[in-house]
Amino acid sequence: GESVGLHLPTLSVQEGDNSIINCAYSNSASDYFIWYKQESGKGPQFIIDIRSNMDKRQGQRVTVLLNKTVKHLSLQIAATQPGDSAVYFCAENMAGGSYIPTFGRGTSLIVHP
Amino acid sequence: DGGITQSPKYLFRKEGQNVTLSCEQNLNHDAMYWYRQDPGQGLRLIYYSQIVNDFQKGDIAEGYSVSREKKESFPLTVTSAQKNPTAFYLCASSPGAGNTIYFGEGSWLTVV
Repeated sequence: GESVGLHLPTLSVQEGDNSIINCAYSNSASDYFIWYKQESGKGPQFIIDIRSNMDKRQGQRVTVLLNKTVKHLSLQIAATQPGDSAVYFCAENMAGGSYIPTFGRGTSLIVHP
Repeated sequence: DGGITQSPKYLFRKEGQNVTLSCEQNLNHDAMYWYRQDPGQGLRLIYYSQIVNDFQKGDIAEGYSVSREKKESFPLTVTSAQKNPTAFYLCASSPGAGNTIYFGEGSWLTVV
């Protein structure tokens, strides 16, 4: 089956730096993408989503970029803080219908004070 | 507060025993899901239900069973047939298939 993957399993940054977490997807029919943050021992939290009719979407300190040509998704976190340390993973989905989303393995973001 | 409640947070099972993990949501979501997460791995789908009284197997359903008698509840039973049940179990729900999935806080199951 088609899958979602992440390029970097671990990303270490200094507090205040910008972080970029990448995700590749292979299902060209996917039209809805979601980023989640999972802190240790907790359930994943929704961060931001984007639909395929958009290339960019911004939230509070986070931006998601979608490049449908190369089937690539990225999450940018501005001014990274120690509280941002977590595992981040993306999910690809198809709005409507009965499609069940698939999830990537995740990237561990470590923010050093 | 609205959300998804999983219980218990920690559960220990003796070999040969069945255990049931509870999942309740008050979001009025139609769809509910159970995922298993092992260290360093992604989420693997166990079972899902898109409507009351109906559910489908996911990728790793063997050794597990579910029921969906009420819209707000989707309990997962880990049976003795599941040979390696120690894992972090996540319940989730969504307004329907194809919509954003929201997760509970998870339940840790350990076989002793």
